[in-house]
Amino acid sequence: ETGVTQTPRHLVMGMTNKKSLKCEQHLGHNAMYWYKQSAKKPLELMFVYSLEERVENNSVPSRFSPECPNSSHLFLHLHTLQPEDSALYLCASSPGWGSGNTIYFGEGSWLTVV
Amino acid sequence: GESVGLHLPTLSVQEGDNSIINCAYSNSASDYFIWYKQESGKGPQFIIDIRSNMDKRQGQRVTVLLNKTVKHLSLQIAATQPGDSAVYFCADQSSNTGNQFYFGTGTSLTVIP
Repeated sequence: ETGVTQTPRHLVMGMTNKKSLKCEQHLGHNAMYWYKQSAKKPLELMFVYSLEERVENNSVPSRFSPECPNSSHLFLHLHTLQPEDSALYLCASSPGWGSGNTIYFGEGSWLTVV
Repeated sequence: GESVGLHLPTLSVQEGDNSIINCAYSNSASDYFIWYKQESGKGPQFIIDIRSNMDKRQGQRVTVLLNKTVKHLSLQIAATQPGDSAVYFCADQSSNTGNQFYFGTGTSLTVIP
C-alpha cells in the first residue's frame, strides 16, 4: 500500500474513445503529479498541481486533460489518443511543491491505445 | 537541459554480495536527490534521499553517497537479496529548474541466488 491509489490499473482504448484515469492519495499531501513512463525512457513530468492549482504544464498534447477537484484527487482525461501514447501513467504526490519535497508514486495505470 | 544518467543499464550480483548502482547528474545546482526502486508491474518506490549539504546517508541495508565535485550519486545495497531484484533509478531536483525532478533511465539489478 503506497498511499497513492490509481484506477484502473489497466486500460485498453481505441483512438476515438474518451476515458479517464483516477488517482487518490491518502497521505495528506498538497501536491499531485502525473508522469508518463515509456520503455527505456526516463519518467516524463506531465502535470503538477499544488493546492488544486496547476503549477506545471510541460508541453503536453491537449488530448491529455488533467483535473484536480481537491488536494486528494487527480484525474487525467484522455481523448483521441495515438498508439504512441501507450505507456504506464504514474500518479504521485508530495507534501508540498518545492525543493526537498519527496515524491511518492502510485502503482500506475497501464494504457494501451489500439 | 538537465540530464540524469545511470552508468550501467543492467547489473547482476550474487545473493549476499554488496551492490553498487551509480548515477551521474548534470546540474551543479541540484540540491536534493532520491533513489527509487521499481519492481516489475509496480510503481516506483522511495528508497532513500539525500540533500546537497550531506555526502552520505544510511538507511536499512542501503547507503547513498553524493559527490558534488563530480556530480555523482551512488546507491549501495548491502547483502543483496533476491527481493532486491528490480530497476533502480535516481532523481535530482534543483530550484533553478523549477523544482522539477529529473529521472535517470534506470539500472536493472538481478540477484542470482
